[in-house]
Amino acid sequence: DAKTTQPTSMDCAEGRAANLPCNHSTISGNEYVYWYRQIHSQGPQYIIHGLKNNETNEMASLIITEDRKSSTLILPHATLRDTAVYYCIVRGSNSGYALNFGKGTSLLVTP
Amino acid sequence: NAGVTQTPKFQVLKTGQSMTLQCAQDMNHNSMYWYRQDPGMGLRLIYYSASEGTTDKGEVPNGYNVSRLNKREFSLRLESAAPSQTSVYFCATHPQDGELFFGEGSRLTVL
Repeated sequence: DAKTTQPTSMDCAEGRAANLPCNHSTISGNEYVYWYRQIHSQGPQYIIHGLKNNETNEMASLIITEDRKSSTLILPHATLRDTAVYYCIVRGSNSGYALNFGKGTSLLVTP
Repeated sequence: NAGVTQTPKFQVLKTGQSMTLQCAQDMNHNSMYWYRQDPGMGLRLIYYSASEGTTDKGEVPNGYNVSRLNKREFSLRLESAAPSQTSVYFCATHPQDGELFFGEGSRLTVL
């Protein structure tokens, strides 16, 4: 599975959009981009995933560039409860779930 | 409907002691996973089981054994605990081609 690169930490004001970038320049054609988050001391929680089209659900939006080498997770109206570590993961459709979670981006939402 | 249940939630061991972490899922999924998370680090895969009766090593299997007792249960055993195994352990499962669901974690301290 392709490796990903994320910033170590980011800040966002409450009520503003949080845009979390992820680089995955070695992604291959059948690999999906997944996002999970981990709120302090809890198990990671699935957020969203996509292949090449932009995706949106009740939690977030995922924007994948046309060349698929990078993506952005968007939390449209961040709240204090969105403070967490966010993991960007690339996984092939035919590969298992031995996912490399890496260190993720620590997002701090401030009042 | 508890999802993924891990026991115990907290445990303190002395070096050389043995223990088993239990994981049970009520979602009828085939695949189950054990991860560990050290302070300030991402999750690393210890072992996984793609189906009942099969187990495979992940990134950091040394010092651990696993048993897939049945479809619901996947246990992780430390035969001779070491301080380096102080960590938070997460069990996870997923449906066919779906996202991972994690338990709440088991916090282990080895003195």
